[in-house]
Amino acid sequence: ETGVTQSPTHLIKTRGQQVTLRCSSQSGHNTVSWYQQALGQGPQFIFQYYREEENGRGNFPPRFSGLQFPNYSSELNVNALELDDSALYLCASSSGQGVRVYNSPLHFGNGTRLTVT
Amino acid sequence: LAKTTQPISMDSYEGQEVNITCSHNNIATNDYITWYQQFPSQGPRFIIQGYKTKVTNEVASLFIPADRKSSTLSLPRVSLSDTAVYYCLVGEASGTYKYIFGTGTRLKVLA
Repeated sequence: ETGVTQSPTHLIKTRGQQVTLRCSSQSGHNTVSWYQQALGQGPQFIFQYYREEENGRGNFPPRFSGLQFPNYSSELNVNALELDDSALYLCASSSGQGVRVYNSPLHFGNGTRLTVT
Repeated sequence: LAKTTQPISMDSYEGQEVNITCSHNNIATNDYITWYQQFPSQGPRFIIQGYKTKVTNEVASLFIPADRKSSTLSLPRVSLSDTAVYYCLVGEASGTYKYIFGTGTRLKVLA
């Protein structure tokens, strides 16, 4: 069983640039969610995708966008980078959907460390 | 808006039982409570999940009172390797999905 993998592991960008982060879900998982974790803070939910459509979103501006592909891999895109976007970005996959979606444990990758200068 | 609150930090000694409580006053009716463990530079790792009463697995127990407004993660006989940050997680049933992580409890196990 292959776990959740994220790429790249580290990235340095300049303010105003755009970045794309990638995630491969665990085998058999059809739901993916993304989180931003600032240093010393808990993960903050960005959004969730199921069957290639966004079905949940946290308090993040539209410059944070995503995609889920038919093979359930996913991308997080951030436009017009700001210094405060510097954080660890985590991807998590889970199985199942519906009323009890919160009851499917999340399987996390080890994240991408983004530094904006 | 769902919100969770946890103690910021706890210290314990090896071999002791550790209990970490999370309050989630606005938990949704259908929502489960899930706990995760996170080591530095790693993603959170699932520990245990429950809906009500008590759940036990090979690494922890989870106690949830009848009103479900709080939950307590119990780690029996902790070791140095249990030093980590522990998060409780609930969902927000507001039409779309939204996960709410707690502030996290930094557990330090001392020899």
